[in-house]
Amino acid sequence: GAGVSQSPRYKVAKRGQDVALRCDPISGHVSLFWYQQALGQGPEFLTYFQNEAQLDKSGLPSDRFFAERPEGSVSTLKIQRTQQEDSAVYLCASSLQGASYEQYFGPGTRLTVT
Amino acid sequence: QQQVKQSPQSLIVQKGGISIINCAYENTAFDYFPWYQQFPGKGPALLIAIRPDVSEKKEGRFTISFNKSAKQFSLHIMDSQPGDSATYFCAASTMEYGNKLVFGAGTILRVKS
Repeated sequence: GAGVSQSPRYKVAKRGQDVALRCDPISGHVSLFWYQQALGQGPEFLTYFQNEAQLDKSGLPSDRFFAERPEGSVSTLKIQRTQQEDSAVYLCASSLQGASYEQYFGPGTRLTVT
Repeated sequence: QQQVKQSPQSLIVQKGGISIINCAYENTAFDYFPWYQQFPGKGPALLIAIRPDVSEKKEGRFTISFNKSAKQFSLHIMDSQPGDSATYFCAASTMEYGNKLVFGAGTILRVKS
């Protein structure tokens, strides 16, 4: 089956613009995570969904960041009024429910804010 | 307490040699320790993972060694190949925190042919 897919792969935004990043998890995966990876760094947790419920959003850096997963499948990460410090790769990962810990990552969306 | 410290930052190994990357953690609630491999422009790919009830896990050329008392774990890549050249990340998680992964800073491995 297909892996995690993300779109767009690359996004250039002018400072102040809003952007929306999409994640399609592996079919049947109940858990979905978003991470932010700055250049040369390890990924950092942003938010976590189980089905459509957002159970943890402690990693979202500001109230400009918003994520949703309305039908428990596709998820969208929205960044409002982008700033230069938002430039990073945004990674999505999905995982089976329950005791399974394995998270499978998508290719990421590279966001550049100019 | 949420940090995972990874070393070295970069590593150069001759083809056929052993690559060793180390990680240390503080939070004893962590109970799952995966290693990810990342190539430029790609997402991290799960390589191998271990839970603290075992001290070693081997899959092909990749071995994780785990020392619960020292709160350390390491990745050994045997017979390293040029195709192994990538960035490697250790991570840790626990169901207490919803299984979110806490990553180390990464190790850039270069295998010279």
